[in-house]
Amino acid sequence: EAAVTQSPRNKVTVTGGNVTLSCRQTNSHNYMYWYRQDTGHGLRLIHYSYGAGNLQIGDVPDGYKATRTTQEDFFLLLELASPSQTSLYFCASSHRDRGEQYFGPGTRLTVL
Amino acid sequence: AQSVTQPDARVTVSEGASLQLRCKYSYSGTPYLFWYVQYPRQGLQLLLKYYSGDPVVQGVNGFEAEFSKSNSSFHLRKASVHWSDSAVYFCVLSGTGGYKVVFGSGTRLLVSP
Repeated sequence: EAAVTQSPRNKVTVTGGNVTLSCRQTNSHNYMYWYRQDTGHGLRLIHYSYGAGNLQIGDVPDGYKATRTTQEDFFLLLELASPSQTSLYFCASSHRDRGEQYFGPGTRLTVL
Repeated sequence: AQSVTQPDARVTVSEGASLQLRCKYSYSGTPYLFWYVQYPRQGLQLLLKYYSGDPVVQGVNGFEAEFSKSNSSFHLRKASVHWSDSAVYFCVLSGTGGYKVVFGSGTRLLVSP
């Protein structure tokens, strides 16, 4: 069974604050993704990675940085958080390009 | 441009009734198509996938979907729903030309007793 974990599960910060969301997968997958989920928009891709040290820009990258330190670990960084970044964030991994994805449980971020 | 449309934001059916959730896509190439389900306070889980071949694909928990190239559709079906099927369902398209995945906006299914 694929395993993707995220931490923290909930986070509250203030405008201008720094936030790091963590994701770890133990599936030996090459591909990892960060999404945000907002009502009426489904999931939107922020950043993704093909492997350690690789980073690709997704559809809604503004205000976000990401880093893939190892095959297992993918981080999403918000260096100057804004209220518009209040959302539910999901991490996912997949074995192959265009293949099915395995999702983590999500991190709910609130920016006051 | 790639797009996925789920025209029904909410669907309510009675327990034991049949179900169809609609999904239309726009893509000029050969799509990979998926249905995922999201239960409350959980991440998304794969229900089924279509890459090629038989247009009717079977998934978990009695779900199936039918791919139609002529109609650009990938509708999800279930013969008899259970209250535990209440969730949000997402249709997803994966295309080529660099990584590109597009999620539909989701359909919230409520199964009434």
